[in-house]
Amino acid sequence: DVKVTQSSRYLVKRTGEKVFLECVQDMDHENMFWYRQDPGLGLRLIYFSYDVKMKEKGDIPEGYSVSREKKERFSLILESASTNQTSMYLCASLGGGPLHFGNGTRLTVT
Amino acid sequence: EDQVTQSPEALRLQEGESSSLNCSYTVSGLRGLFWYRQDPGKGPEFLFTLYSAGEEKEKERLKATLTKKESFLHITAPKPEDSATYLCAVPGQAGTALIFGKGTTLSVSS
Repeated sequence: DVKVTQSSRYLVKRTGEKVFLECVQDMDHENMFWYRQDPGLGLRLIYFSYDVKMKEKGDIPEGYSVSREKKERFSLILESASTNQTSMYLCASLGGGPLHFGNGTRLTVT
Repeated sequence: EDQVTQSPEALRLQEGESSSLNCSYTVSGLRGLFWYRQDPGKGPEFLFTLYSAGEEKEKERLKATLTKKESFLHITAPKPEDSATYLCAVPGQAGTALIFGKGTTLSVSS
């Protein structure tokens, strides 16, 4: 079974902090994704990566950046956290089958 | 613009009361329609992929069907453990990233 692991289930950060969300997959998948999920808005794509050191903007990239230095690891970075970035963040990976998700990181920015 | 619309937003059923969830999509050149189940506080879990009109997939009390414009998730004789949010998604024009509907939250009471 594909395993996508997000390093933190819950995070509380202060406005203006730099925040790192980490995601690791164990199936050698080429493609990895970051979504955020908010009530009434559903899942929205922030960034994705189809190879090491490659990245593409999704629908809502503003305020975020990403890093993919190794194939198995995809990091989401909030350069200066703001309260409107309080959300559930979901990482996913894709190989030859369906998209597989981690269990999410619930981030609260105060 | 590619879109996925799910209805109803919420559905309450009695145990054993069968019903259907709807997912309509507007995307040219459909490259698969995906159904996921999401439990509170967890990441979405893959259920089915459908590729062509007329295709059906089944798993326990769930059956997914696909037409040229929409998909249905039929739930037969549901049990309380079927309570969850059900998401459908299609690949966008840009490539591999999935576009998700906002989901249907199903509550089954005994």
